Amino acid sequence: EDQVTQSPEALRLQEGESSSLNCSYTVSGLRGLFWYRQDPGKGPEFLFTLYSAGEEKEKERLKATLTKKESFLHITAPKPEDSATYLCAVSGGTSYGKLTFGQGTILTVHP
Amino acid sequence: NAGVTQTPKFRVLKTGQSMTLLCAQDMNHEYMYWYRQDPGMGLRLIHYSVGEGTTAKGEVPDGYNVSRLKKQNFLLGLESAAPSQTSVYFCASSNVGGENEQFFGPGTRLTVL
Repeated sequence: EDQVTQSPEALRLQEGESSSLNCSYTVSGLRGLFWYRQDPGKGPEFLFTLYSAGEEKEKERLKATLTKKESFLHITAPKPEDSATYLCAVSGGTSYGKLTFGQGTILTVHP
Repeated sequence: NAGVTQTPKFRVLKTGQSMTLLCAQDMNHEYMYWYRQDPGMGLRLIHYSVGEGTTAKGEVPDGYNVSRLKKQNFLLGLESAAPSQTSVYFCASSNVGGENEQFFGPGTRLTVL
């Protein structure tokens, strides 16, 4: 059974204070590891897909990395508009694209 | 290009009532999914479909039924609503293959009294 654990549950940062979110996973035959952003009252918004260990992807102040056991979402010099819940999910094996999600990290960036 | 849309946005039911949630996508995706999101539980898969006319059970299917009569639509039904089904429901769609990202709708907030 695929499992995803995210930490911390909540993270408070000052504007400009860089940090990282963690996503630990176990999956049989990783097809993809996905990061989503979710704003209050809205659906998850796709950020990145990582496919193999060592892969990295960047978008503005966000950088996602992947190892065989975990993924990190690095946030560089965050701004208040980066405040959101960040969700990690995995797709594995012959799962027909089914995603197993972690519980998310609630990020709050104070000005 | 509307992406994934869901109706209704909000609904309040009494215990035992029935209702259907509608999901529509205009991206010609083969796969469609229904999730529920509860505080502290994350997103959990209810049912999914890998193509028109097909459906399959996810992690938490009890109390729900689904139908995919048209490729662009995926319906989620509650035959006899229970307070435990109070949740936010999200529909998603994706291209074929587990390596493709899912696109989510805006959600339906359901309260069962």
